[in-house]
This record gives sequence, C-alpha cells and structure tokens, in this order.
Amino acid sequence: DSGVTQTPKHLITATGQRVTLRCSPRSGDLSVYWYQQSLDQGLQFLIQYYNGEERAKGNILERFSAQQFPDLHSELNLSSLELGDSALYFCASSSRDSNYGYTFGSGTRLTVV
Amino acid sequence: AQKITQTQPGMFVQEKEAVTLDCTYDTSDPSYGLFWYKQPSSGEMIFLIYQGSYDQQNATEGRYSLNFQKARKSANLVISASQLGDSAMYFCAMRVNLGGSTLGRLYFGRGTQLTVWP
Repeated sequence: DSGVTQTPKHLITATGQRVTLRCSPRSGDLSVYWYQQSLDQGLQFLIQYYNGEERAKGNILERFSAQQFPDLHSELNLSSLELGDSALYFCASSSRDSNYGYTFGSGTRLTVV
Repeated sequence: AQKITQTQPGMFVQEKEAVTLDCTYDTSDPSYGLFWYKQPSSGEMIFLIYQGSYDQQNATEGRYSLNFQKARKSANLVISASQLGDSAMYFCAMRVNLGGSTLGRLYFGRGTQLTVWP
C-alpha cells in the first residue's frame, strides 16, 4: 500500500455518462496531482491542488473538473464521456518536506463503452 | 518548454546482464529534479530513483543507478544484474523547481518497455 488510495479501481460506463474518481492522499501530503495515461497520449498531467486550492492546470478537458476538499481528499469528475476518455487515471500526492516524495495511487482504470 | 524524450520504445536484456535506458530532457530552468518510475503490467507506478540538478554525484539505489550528464541533458537509468521481475515499462520524468518549490508537476517521457529473458 503506497499510502495513496484511489477508488474505484475499475469503472465501466457508457458514452455520455458522468463519473467521479476519488483520491485520498498520503497522510500529511497537501498536494494532489491527477494524471491520465492512455496508449496514444502517454502520461498527461491534468491538474494539481494544494491544500484545497487549484495550483496548476494541464491538459484537462472542459468536460473534466476536479476539487480538493478540506480533509484533503480529491475528486476528479468526468462528464459527457467519450470512447477516447478510456484510460488509466492516476492520483499522486506530495509534500514540501520530501525532495522526491511523489506517491502514486494504484490508479482507476476507466473504460467507456 | 519542458520536455522528456525516451527514444527506445523497447529494450531486451538477458537475465543477470546490465541494461541502460536512455532519457534526455530539455528545460531552461536551472533547478530541477529527474525521476525514474517502473510500471509493471499490473499498472502501479513505482518510484525507482531521483537526481537533483545540483547533485554532484550520480544517484544510486541498489541495482539502479542514474547516469546524469548535465551538459548533455541526459539522465540514463542503468539497471545492473537484470532480473526477470524487472520486465516492465520504465518512465523518465522531470520536475522543475519553480521558485524553489519541489511541488511542481512531473513531465513524463513516453516510456521504454524492458523485457528481461532467461
């Protein structure tokens, strides 16, 4: 167990639907990152939150949104799903105290049918 | 712009031999960190090794070492005495330490699929 918990591990849904992916960071980590991994795009950075505030935004579609709650867990909302959104979605967390302290969760594998 | 390039889509190595996985990077920022991750077929991302841009010595972690050549902007991973369990996808990544912060996002390469054969 890496300390970062992602749920669910697998998700199968239909096109047009909306899903929510959840991430609980490692204890003490204030920063959360979301990445999307697909065969054609590789590992793409989506968005970062730090202590509840959005800190950096990457290649995140307008159909996607995220937030970090006061208890520091984060949710990634994906709406109007398309076949191309099928991917492995990773959450990672980090803290200022660790020089290389990115801890990845085991990912949520999303399949859109 | 920050960029990581891994030019080897696949590599093969015999068990107990050493293998080098190539990684070049591009950034104009003087402070950055370089990372290697292993992703087995099960999908999780496993941290292997880290090198800071100001580190004078190459990083080592057990059988893993990072051949850091700053002038060439390369950060190759060397795995010594390969094992069958080393078969996986390997990603090189970079973080730029803007304003001294170590909380920046990671930029990933496309990865190298390593296969270790008996």
